[in-house]
Amino acid sequence: NAGVTQTPKFRVLKTGQSMTLLCAQDMNHEYMYWYRQDPGMGLRLIHYSVGEGTTAKGEVPDGYNVSRLKKQNFLLGLESAAPSQTSVYFCASSYEYSGELFFGEGSRLTVL
Amino acid sequence: DQQVKQNSPSLSVQEGRISILNCDYTNSMFDYFLWYKKYPAEGPTFLISISSIKDKNEDGRFTVFLNKSAKHLSLHIVPSQPGDSAVYFCAASASFGNEKLTFGTGTRLTIIP
Repeated sequence: NAGVTQTPKFRVLKTGQSMTLLCAQDMNHEYMYWYRQDPGMGLRLIHYSVGEGTTAKGEVPDGYNVSRLKKQNFLLGLESAAPSQTSVYFCASSYEYSGELFFGEGSRLTVL
Repeated sequence: DQQVKQNSPSLSVQEGRISILNCDYTNSMFDYFLWYKKYPAEGPTFLISISSIKDKNEDGRFTVFLNKSAKHLSLHIVPSQPGDSAVYFCAASASFGNEKLTFGTGTRLTIIP
């Protein structure tokens, strides 16, 4: 049982490049989330999804797009990366009506 | 505007003693609170939760206390063990089942053998 898997684990980008982070969960969870963690800022919600085909903005959505075409996958896209997007990104999933999130191991992104 | 605050970035406790981690919140709509634990290079893992209808919830060595009037909660770990060394995040949501959690900035707990 893999739980929540994020790919890639590490990535270095140049300013203006684009990339996609993939999150896959095998627990049949309805809800999926993308958070970023920055020093002194805790975890901040970027976007989330409450079911296949749905997405919604979180606390810090600017510069990111997401898609949930399949229930088990949640993609986070950066169309034009900026140094301010250097961060550790965490994907999480949960059952409905639960604050208990299951997190992936994180993806460290550096934008030069 | 930090709605969930953990004012102690770090805490060191002797093995076997009690660890107390604190968390304050400002949003009066928050009524469900959780603690997460995070080891380096891993994602956070759920530890314990409490709803606003309770003032205490216990799970083994871990107890969470909620003081609604003070908008304050704390996590007690007794006795502290070396494996408890990690970063602890407090989180809150407005109503159980709300899909959005607001996290604090975390407290790094170090257990000294």
